[in-house]
Amino acid sequence: AQSVSQHNHHVILSEAASLELGCNYSYGGTVNLFWYVQYPGQHLQLLLKYFSGDPLVKGIKGFEAEFIKSKFSFNLRKPSVQWSDTAEYFCAVNAPRSSNTGKLIFGQGTTLQVKP
Amino acid sequence: EAQVTQNPRYLITVTGKKLTVTCSQNMNHEYMSWYRQDPGLGLRQIYYSMNVEVTDKGDVPEGYKVSRKEKRNFPLILESPSPNQTSLYFCASSPRLAGGYFQETQYFGPGTRLLVL
Repeated sequence: AQSVSQHNHHVILSEAASLELGCNYSYGGTVNLFWYVQYPGQHLQLLLKYFSGDPLVKGIKGFEAEFIKSKFSFNLRKPSVQWSDTAEYFCAVNAPRSSNTGKLIFGQGTTLQVKP
Repeated sequence: EAQVTQNPRYLITVTGKKLTVTCSQNMNHEYMSWYRQDPGLGLRQIYYSMNVEVTDKGDVPEGYKVSRKEKRNFPLILESPSPNQTSLYFCASSPRLAGGYFQETQYFGPGTRLLVL
């Protein structure tokens, strides 16, 4: 069965610190990969996604993620966090179109707290 | 504005009292889905629908029902809520693309926080 694992459940950083959130998935075939963010009291928003091509993808608000196929990983990074990045971050996968039932499999989520 | 809306946003109820959480999207999307979010578990899919009158179970369907009579609406029904259904619920939708597949990126509603006493 497909699964997604996020290693850090709660991360606390000071402003301007660098961020890396880990995400590993288990799936035997090709997957689509996503990072969603949920700001306090708001709905999920897409940060970035990877379907194919360049394994380093850039998203909104200065976030980027690198797909490493050999490690089944899709880690999220940001060089310098801001207080406004305080939120919960979810890694997710779904199957490519040929077998896509639409289901997203989510990781457990990582709560990021940025101290001013 | 293209969006997914849910109502109510907050609900406190008692065990056994039937309730419905509505979900509506104005983007003419074929695919709709319900997830529940619980601390330490992320989001898990409850039910999904690929089109009108086509629904199927997700990973955690027990205690829930859905219906898809119209393309824009996908209500989640709890016939007899129990405290273990206390959670944050999200509705999501995505369009069907040329070639028949669903767009991989889904659009989420604002969430409904449910407390069952």
